[in-house]
Amino acid sequence: DTGVSQNPRHKITKRGQNVTFRCDPISEHNRLYWYRQTLGQGPEFLTYFQNEAQLEKSRLLSDRFSAERPKGSFSTLEIQRTEQGDSAMYLCASSLVGGSNSYEQYFGPGTRLTVT
Amino acid sequence: AQSVTQLGSHVSVSEGALVLLRCNYSSSVPPYLFWYVQYPNQGLQLLLKYTSAATLVKGINGFEAEFKKSETSFHLTKPSAHMSDAAEYFCAVTPGGGGADGLTFGKGTHLIIQP
Repeated sequence: DTGVSQNPRHKITKRGQNVTFRCDPISEHNRLYWYRQTLGQGPEFLTYFQNEAQLEKSRLLSDRFSAERPKGSFSTLEIQRTEQGDSAMYLCASSLVGGSNSYEQYFGPGTRLTVT
Repeated sequence: AQSVTQLGSHVSVSEGALVLLRCNYSSSVPPYLFWYVQYPNQGLQLLLKYTSAATLVKGINGFEAEFKKSETSFHLTKPSAHMSDAAEYFCAVTPGGGGADGLTFGKGTHLIIQP
């Protein structure tokens, strides 16, 4: 078990460009979550998947944001036409719903996005 | 809807002293509650969780928390602070019983340990 991994760890992009982040959850975990964390704040929930189905999306997830989890394994989060306000740490977490620790979410190290 | 309030954005204690980090929650349904710790440039690590079993919950690294429904609180304590406890601590809530939904986090408390 190598934990939740995220790539890239850092991304610098110019305003207006598109970016894509990847999250690889713990292998047997069926739920995958995306959060956004800005400086000095707690993480804010964006969306989550149960296997390949996207079950909930926060109002924070504007139409410029899209997330996918094809085949219920890794997930990608794409931001189109980035804005400076998108600069944040994007965190991914996974959990095994139905197991003995259903409510424990395990977090990856995050992808830090800087929009210039 | 649920929310979390963490009192004190910064808490400073001396090494060996009691650590008390405060968390109050608001939830329209019985909640599940969590404390996470975040070290610089790292992801969040789960310290402990309350999922409607025992109200006094013990976690890793000597931390514990007590769920008090009447006070809507879930304060985190450790009897004796260690330098390695210096980090950012987040309290989080999710609706209980229905599965592991997205967490709602507080703004965090930065714990400073004085030598």
